[in-house]
Amino acid sequence: DQQVKQNSPSLSVQEGRISILNCDYTNSMFDYFLWYKKYPAEGPTFLISISSIKDKNEDGRFTVFLNKSAKHLSLHIVPSQPGDSAVYFCAAKASGNQFYFGTGTSLTVIP
Amino acid sequence: KAGVTQTPRYLIKTRGQQVTLSCSPISGHRSVSWYQQTPGQGLQFLFEYFSETQRNKGNFPGRFSGRQFSNSRSEMNVSTLELGDSALYLCASSLRSNNSPLHFGNGTRLTVT
Repeated sequence: DQQVKQNSPSLSVQEGRISILNCDYTNSMFDYFLWYKKYPAEGPTFLISISSIKDKNEDGRFTVFLNKSAKHLSLHIVPSQPGDSAVYFCAAKASGNQFYFGTGTSLTVIP
Repeated sequence: KAGVTQTPRYLIKTRGQQVTLSCSPISGHRSVSWYQQTPGQGLQFLFEYFSETQRNKGNFPGRFSGRQFSNSRSEMNVSTLELGDSALYLCASSLRSNNSPLHFGNGTRLTVT
């Protein structure tokens, strides 16, 4: 049972424009949400996170939005750069330390 | 600070064999988790160790096992390998406090022939 879903396997964006990656979840007990970035032949790298008591968190070009009523999470990258091309995973955690991951969205930023 | 280190990076094994993967966490991190990534799948949780005890276990058969040592280093073992075990195995460490993320190693790519 996939509790965290990323319905878009891929996304292409022009350099300088906004990239929006989306994620949906089903478990209302999730209270901590994260985004990871993964390059080929490397492990996922932690990018940004948000706790359920907030609805927005910014870190430089990256902003994560949380809509708890819709059980929806999004990552905005502005402006997008070619180096942002990677696979992005969203993840969520309830109590304990077990994280649930989506299947990933492959972002391509076109120069 | 050194990151999470996984060895070996690549492994080729034959069906029926067993394999042991190793993980050294970030210094100070006492929680180590293992995940399996296969094409088209997200990261599937295998298990988590904290203070040498398994704290959580995912939905994998008993052929998958692990352990953690007193220095927080962890090993994962897969016995009686099957073709479907071919995957990227990722180890992650964390502080295991509220709102602390996982930090991943670069993984071990296991190919079963």
